[in-house]
Amino acid sequence: SAVISQKPSRDICQRGTSLTIQCQVDSQVTMMFWYRQQPGQSLTLIATANQGSEATYESGFVIDKFPISRPNLTFSTLTVSNMSPEDSSIYLCSVQGLSGKVTDTQYFGPGTRLTVL
Amino acid sequence: QKEVEQDPGPLSVPEGAIVSLNCTYSNSAFQYFMWYRQYSRKGPELLMYTYSSGNKEDGRFTAQVDKSSKYISLFIRDSQPSDSATYLCAMREIQGAQKLVFGQGTRLTINP
Repeated sequence: SAVISQKPSRDICQRGTSLTIQCQVDSQVTMMFWYRQQPGQSLTLIATANQGSEATYESGFVIDKFPISRPNLTFSTLTVSNMSPEDSSIYLCSVQGLSGKVTDTQYFGPGTRLTVL
Repeated sequence: QKEVEQDPGPLSVPEGAIVSLNCTYSNSAFQYFMWYRQYSRKGPELLMYTYSSGNKEDGRFTAQVDKSSKYISLFIRDSQPSDSATYLCAMREIQGAQKLVFGQGTRLTINP
């Protein structure tokens, strides 16, 4: 079955710095998404990563803070910019349209656990 | 009011018990309903997927959707310690945005 991987799996960063998280799928998918899961909370959608065009952001999330790239159908990056301790969360990539899987729902990567000091 | 409400628990039951997990929602446009299982320090894993109303069974797991009451359930029969995890309900509309709206998640512990 298809594999969704994320790098790094975890990181500890200083406030004011930026971190780029990578999401790689081993087969082409139609849609890719980025979610945030704050400690003890559920998942909140940050944005939909669109291949070849700008990402679509949810209310409360902006491109300057969370720039996203999706250069092809198997890869996307999320950057968390100018970090503060409030950005400490698990960041999850998900995909939809995996070959051999239910096409109408999303499958998640393992997540990136970010701690900002 | 949140679009999706889920009792966060925690819920602790003995091995072999039947577990019932529930979510309510307010958006009548939701048509796809999912249950994800998330082990500690892991990403959510799709457990059950249901379109519209009705029941769906997969082994020890049964998902129920009652759209008239805006209520979904997940039943786990013969619960095992390996079922200990956080269970998240999620749902989305059939048209428009593909985003999933999640419940808060219920933390479940099965005691041997």
